Amino acid sequence: GAVVSQHPSRVICKSGTSVKIECRSLDFQATTMFWYRQFPKQSLMLMATSNEGSKATYEQGVEKDKFLINHASLTLSTLTVTSAHPEDSSFYICSAAPGQVHEQYFGPGTRLTVT
Amino acid sequence: DAKTTQPNSMESNEEEPVHLPCNHSTISGTDYIHWYRQLPSQGPEYVIHGLTSNVNNRMASLAIAEDRKSSTLILHRATLRDAAVYYCIHQGGSEKLVFGKGTKLTVNP
Repeated sequence: GAVVSQHPSRVICKSGTSVKIECRSLDFQATTMFWYRQFPKQSLMLMATSNEGSKATYEQGVEKDKFLINHASLTLSTLTVTSAHPEDSSFYICSAAPGQVHEQYFGPGTRLTVT
Repeated sequence: DAKTTQPNSMESNEEEPVHLPCNHSTISGTDYIHWYRQLPSQGPEYVIHGLTSNVNNRMASLAIAEDRKSSTLILHRATLRDAAVYYCIHQGGSEKLVFGKGTKLTVNP
C-alpha cells in the first residue's frame, strides 16, 4: 500500500511554455502533499506544502506565480511550471502524507527538461 | 529549519551489517527522527522513524541515543540494492521534512 504516482515521468518542453505535473496518492487519502525540486548531485529542496481545498504554502524564494499548485482532491495535487526556462530544468518530486504525517510517501519523480 | 549531520559517504561489503550515524543535536523533545533513502533518479523511500525508543522493521533498525542527539540506522545485512543516499531528518511540528545532504552508501559485492 501507500503508493504515490507522478505523471509524466519525464517531459521536455520549449522555453516559455507551461508544464503540468500530476501527483496522485493511489491507495490512501492525502490531507497534505508536498512538492520538492532536486538539481543534479544535490539534495531535495522543499518548494511548497499543499493542503486539500486551500492555498499552498510556498517556501521562501519559491515564486508562487511561477509554480502553481492545485490540490483539488484528497488524492490529487498538480504543479504547473509556467513560462518555463532552462533553469527550471530539474527533477520534481511530490510526496503525500495521510492523516498521520509521520510517514510521507514519495512519488517516483518527474524529470523536466526545458530547451 | 531542523539540521542533521551525516557522513558524506560510507562503504560496506555485501551481507555485512552497516551502521549509518546521524547527529541531530538541535532536536527538540517532540521531534521525530526519520530515515529515508533515495536511489538514483527515483523518489525517496521511507525507511524507518522513531521518537525515543529503538525501532525495528523489515528494512532496518533505528537506535536512538538516550539524549536523542544522535541516532544510528542499522542495515543488518547489506545487499547491492541497499546502495543509495540515506537521509536522516528530524521532523518538527510543521510536518515539513528538511533534507540534508545525506550519506551515500556504496555496497561492494
